[in-house]
Amino acid sequence: NAGVTQTPKFQVLKTGQSMTLQCAQDMNHNSMYWYRQDPGMGLRLIYYSASEGTTDKGEVPNGYNVSRLNKREFSLRLESAAPSQTSVYFCASRRGQPPNNEQFFGPGTRLTVL
Amino acid sequence: LAKTTQPISMDSYEGQEVNITCSHNNIATNDYITWYQQFPSQGPRFIIQGYKTKVTNEVASLFIPADRKSSTLSLPRVSLSDTAVYYCLVAVNNAGNMLTFGGGTRLMVKP
Repeated sequence: NAGVTQTPKFQVLKTGQSMTLQCAQDMNHNSMYWYRQDPGMGLRLIYYSASEGTTDKGEVPNGYNVSRLNKREFSLRLESAAPSQTSVYFCASRRGQPPNNEQFFGPGTRLTVL
Repeated sequence: LAKTTQPISMDSYEGQEVNITCSHNNIATNDYITWYQQFPSQGPRFIIQGYKTKVTNEVASLFIPADRKSSTLSLPRVSLSDTAVYYCLVAVNNAGNMLTFGGGTRLMVKP
């Protein structure tokens, strides 16, 4: 099992450009999450999908959109990138249902917006 | 909404036991308390979780008092490789599916 995979690993964008970060999991998990982590800071929740077909805003959703394409895949889109979106983006999937809070994280995408 | 509060940083020495506390005053009645470890340039990794009293696995122990408003992660005999950031996590909505991380505790283990 590959676990949680993310593409790309690195990306440099210019202000105003758009891009989609891809995430996939092969563990048959229902819930998936997108976080961002700025240097020296904790993780902040952008969006999450509790199950296929549903998405909800997290703590910092502005400037982002998400798509839960199917049970395996959860993508994050930046429509018009800004320097403030320079960060490391982590995708995670959750084992089982609440109250189990065990998540599995991908390796991250390091995004720089110039 | 449930929120977590942890010390920003801690220092320890190799071989010592380290206890990291987390406050979660508004934890939902049925929620678990979960701890993660994060090394630089990696995603967080699940360590342990529990509901009440004490939970132990091969890596750590988790102590949760009866009122569940706090928890303590205990790392026995730490080594240099335990230097990392440790996060406690509880769900912040009643459905239990919105999972947010606080600031974490940066543990530095010295030789």
